Amino acid sequence: DMKVTQMPRYLIKRMGENVLLECGQDMSHETMYWYRQDPGLGLQLIYISYDVDSNSEGDIPKGYRVSRKKREHFSLILDSAKTNQTSVYFCATGQGCNQAPLFGEGTRLSVL
Amino acid sequence: SQWGEENLQALSIQEGEDVTMNCSYKTYTTVVHWYRQDSGRGPALIILIRSNEREKRSGRLRATLDTSSQSSSLSITAAQCEDTAVYFCATRTGYQNFYFGKGTSLTVIP
Repeated sequence: DMKVTQMPRYLIKRMGENVLLECGQDMSHETMYWYRQDPGLGLQLIYISYDVDSNSEGDIPKGYRVSRKKREHFSLILDSAKTNQTSVYFCATGQGCNQAPLFGEGTRLSVL
Repeated sequence: SQWGEENLQALSIQEGEDVTMNCSYKTYTTVVHWYRQDSGRGPALIILIRSNEREKRSGRLRATLDTSSQSSSLSITAAQCEDTAVYFCATRTGYQNFYFGKGTSLTVIP
């Protein structure tokens, strides 16, 4: 069964701390995404990765960076987290010929 | 309808009723995807419709696409309580960049 796994599911950090969100997939999909979801704003694309070490900024990359050293793993890094980065973060892979995002269950991040 | 600067739409219906949700998009696309998101879960793809299809059905779901008006709709027939969720449309722009509408929150009352 196709699955995208996000760790951790819940995370509380203090402002200024570094944050690492991890995402894994077992389908060897080339394309992976990071989105954040905020009430009233919907899903916003942070970064897209087309394959290992082939990453591209989405609509809101500021304050974030990503790492993809293996096709199966895609990490989102927040250096010195800010309170306005409190959100739910979703990782996804591209499924099917249209590469439509297949989402994980999300990581709920609170930055205090 | 959802998209752009519109706020999240909310609909509340009785169990057994039919409901239609609308979506308009701004840029050319060859396919519209519809997702549903249950509370506390990630969005899940439920149906997609291509530009050469005017209508697509899957069980109680029916999607339509009008490329001339850049709009799509999702209908649910005889809604059930388990249809309660947020429904998003999504289109692909550029190379594998997907953009999502703000969604319609559907509540089905028993």
